[in-house]
Amino acid sequence: LAKTTQPISMDSYEGQEVNITCSHNNIATNDYITWYQQFPSQGPRFIIQGYKTKVTNEVASLFIPADRKSSTLSLPRVSLSDTAVYYCLVGDDNYGQNFVFGPGTRLSVLP
Amino acid sequence: DVKVTQSSRYLVKRTGEKVFLECVQDMDHENMFWYRQDPGLGLRLIYFSYDVKMKEKGDIPEGYSVSREKKERFSLILESASTNQTSMYLCASSPTDKSSYNEQFFGPGTRLTVL
Repeated sequence: LAKTTQPISMDSYEGQEVNITCSHNNIATNDYITWYQQFPSQGPRFIIQGYKTKVTNEVASLFIPADRKSSTLSLPRVSLSDTAVYYCLVGDDNYGQNFVFGPGTRLSVLP
Repeated sequence: DVKVTQSSRYLVKRTGEKVFLECVQDMDHENMFWYRQDPGLGLRLIYFSYDVKMKEKGDIPEGYSVSREKKERFSLILESASTNQTSMYLCASSPTDKSSYNEQFFGPGTRLTVL
């Protein structure tokens, strides 16, 4: 299983763009990169997934360089409600059991 | 709206008690998972099941067992609770669809305290 490394915590201010980078040096050919978001007292929820280049949805963008050894989750113009823990997961799309949740990045958005 | 429900939000048990944590999903998903979450450690997979009566060990199965008698229900059992099993327990489910990503849907969690 590909191990991921991400910053433990980040601070930002409302209205700023936040970029959280995840390293996954031993990513395998079949692996996808997936990000989840977890608010306090809730279970994680899916944000975005990609395989290569760039993916964008209504919540975030995911940038993946050609070598796929890292990825960056970009949150445009964050608000206080974006304060959460963000998990980067790498794994193939089998039954989901191959995805490993690490400690995540705790994002604090300040007013 | 998709839903994963867990039987209790908070639970307090004593050391040595047998504890049952129940999880039900209404999405007809094949796969179900039990995680525990501890500060600084993220989520760790205890057991998962990809079909009725099937189960596979995750990363930390010791001290736990599971049961899946019906597709919608996945139970986590602590045979003899210990204080180091005090944690947040999260259940999740996902479909098996080879044409798309199998997103995991999580329940709200059960915070278990073992005294």
